[in-house]
Amino acid sequence: AQSVAQPEDQVNVAEGNPLTVKCTYSVSGNPYLFWYVQYPNRGLQFLLKYITGDNLVKGSYGFEAEFNKSQTSFHLKKPSALVSDSALYFCAVRGGFKTIFGAGTRLFVKA
Amino acid sequence: EAGVTQSPTHLIKTRGQQVTLRCSPISGHTSVYWYQQALGLGLQFLLWYDEGEERNRGNFPPRFSGRQFPNYSSELNVNALELEDSALYLCASSYGQGRVLNTEAFFGQGTRLTVV
Repeated sequence: AQSVAQPEDQVNVAEGNPLTVKCTYSVSGNPYLFWYVQYPNRGLQFLLKYITGDNLVKGSYGFEAEFNKSQTSFHLKKPSALVSDSALYFCAVRGGFKTIFGAGTRLFVKA
Repeated sequence: EAGVTQSPTHLIKTRGQQVTLRCSPISGHTSVYWYQQALGLGLQFLLWYDEGEERNRGNFPPRFSGRQFPNYSSELNVNALELEDSALYLCASSYGQGRVLNTEAFFGQGTRLTVV
């Protein structure tokens, strides 16, 4: 069975500092990994995905994620955080035809 | 290109009533997913429809049901509403079986259901 874990409920970072939101996964076969962001009372917006190829994936709004097969991780990163990045972030893994989402990590970026 | 649309955006119902939520997928997408997001909780998978059939359902009671129409739009029905059904219900669409599997799902803005 596939699963995804986001070990941190909340991440706090100062504006301008780098940020990391962690995600680990478990899936049989090749994983398809995704990151989404959710702003208050809105649906989820797609940020980036890993399908195959380079382990470093670049996405929207300056975000990137690093796929690490040995550690089964897919951490979301940004070199310099903005206050407007404050939101709820979801990692998702797709094994077969079903997509499973993590519980979400709330990111607070302080000015 | 129009995104995933959900209606209504907000809904208030009384405990015991029934509700129907609607979702129109992106053109070309045949898969529709329903998720429940209760306050403070993550996304809980409800149902997955593809090509008009229910392909999978999450760990929810049978009073949660739905269907997918020939145009791939979908309805989520919840019977005998309970207070804990209050949540944001999100619909997402993607290419389905037999098509590209490595594409992301696109989400609608959700329906906020409040049960009083």
